Amino acid sequence: DIVLTQAPLSVSVTPGESASISCRSSKSLLSSKGITSLYWYLQKPGKSPQLLIFRMSNLASGIPDRFSGSGSETDFTLKITKVETEDVGVYYCAQFLEYPPTFGAGTNLELK
Amino acid sequence: EVQLKESGPGLVQPSQTLSLTCTVSGFSLTDYSVHWVRQPPGKGLEWMGVMWTGGSTAYNSALKSRLSISRDTSKSQVFLKMNSLQTEDTAIYYCIRAKDYVMDAWGQGASVTVSS
Repeated sequence: DIVLTQAPLSVSVTPGESASISCRSSKSLLSSKGITSLYWYLQKPGKSPQLLIFRMSNLASGIPDRFSGSGSETDFTLKITKVETEDVGVYYCAQFLEYPPTFGAGTNLELK
Repeated sequence: EVQLKESGPGLVQPSQTLSLTCTVSGFSLTDYSVHWVRQPPGKGLEWMGVMWTGGSTAYNSALKSRLSISRDTSKSQVFLKMNSLQTEDTAIYYCIRAKDYVMDAWGQGASVTVSS
């Protein structure tokens, strides 16, 4: 199975500042069709995960453009600019290139 | 509006079978696949299996011997059954809509506790 390693596991951010979360894959997530199958989800406290970014860099519907995704074939970054109170929660990266789909361990974002 | 709602028993005895139903609205099961993912208390996410649009299934090899996913398209429902439950199967179970490998809508989750 593809292993996704997130860092850091916890981050504390001052509102209005930026935050970056890293996700490293044990295998290239670039498909033969040229699609990078890396996704980012946010699980707010007590809620279900919600899709933030699909195919490495595409913003999901309704997600503010403070969120952005970037990366290469194995190293990926989620950046949040001007962090707001509503951004608190656990961020997961996920891959759907190969079955089974796998998730990173999660990064807990809290406010200072 | 797209909705997925999991339902089932909150408590299951060890060695018994878990049966969960995912009832969907706002989309067709023949247009979108439905995945099951679970989350043990305080832990991360584990993919369990999928019901594809054509009616075929795929399972996590770690659970394959115990897991079965089926559907009733006329009722817009997808079913999960897992036998031989143990305490480590205590988790929140989510059903999720997906298309082109994008899981874009999650249910609220069903909390399942395995205990005698």
